[in-house]
Amino acid sequence: NAGVTQTPKFQVLKTGQSMTLQCAQDMNHNSMYWYRQDPGMGLRLIYYSASEGTTDKGEVPNGYNVSRLNKREFSLRLESAAPSQTSVYFCASSPIRQETQYFGPGTRLLVL
Amino acid sequence: AQSVSQHNHHVILSEAASLELGCNYSYGGTVNLFWYVQYPGQHLQLLLKYFSGDPLVKGIKGFEAEFIKSKFSFNLRKPSVQWSDTAEYFCAVSGGGADGLTFGKGTHLIIQP
Repeated sequence: NAGVTQTPKFQVLKTGQSMTLQCAQDMNHNSMYWYRQDPGMGLRLIYYSASEGTTDKGEVPNGYNVSRLNKREFSLRLESAAPSQTSVYFCASSPIRQETQYFGPGTRLLVL
Repeated sequence: AQSVSQHNHHVILSEAASLELGCNYSYGGTVNLFWYVQYPGQHLQLLLKYFSGDPLVKGIKGFEAEFIKSKFSFNLRKPSVQWSDTAEYFCAVSGGGADGLTFGKGTHLIIQP
């Protein structure tokens, strides 16, 4: 089992460009999450999907959109990237909400 | 809203020293508690977790943590650290109205050989 996979690993964008971060899990988990990690800030929840077909905002959703494509896949889209979105993005999944979350390897994003 | 405080942002220890990292959370109701570790350049891995039962929980690599409900604390301990324990450690809490995990800001641990 690969667990949680994320693509791409690294990305450089110019301000105003758009991109989609991909996440997939093969553990048959119901819940999936997107976090961003910034120095000295820990991880903050951007969006989550408690189950297939549902998505909800987390602590820092502004500037992002998500799609729960199916049970396995949960993508994060930046419509118009801003330098403040320079961060490391982690996708995670859990069997159900409040259960242990398993994290992907992360995507390092630099917005110039 | 739920909040998590980690008291030490940077800790430097020598090998074989004992370790205790503090973690306090704000919500007084039912919570699940976690410690995650992030080794340099890697993703977060679960060290241990507490859902219910014995408040002293043991995790991987010799780590343990004690849940003290009256103090809203979940401190991480290890009797004797190794150089390979150099990493960032995050305390996290689920529950208390939070949608996902609420993380502390992390403790950067450096073990000197």
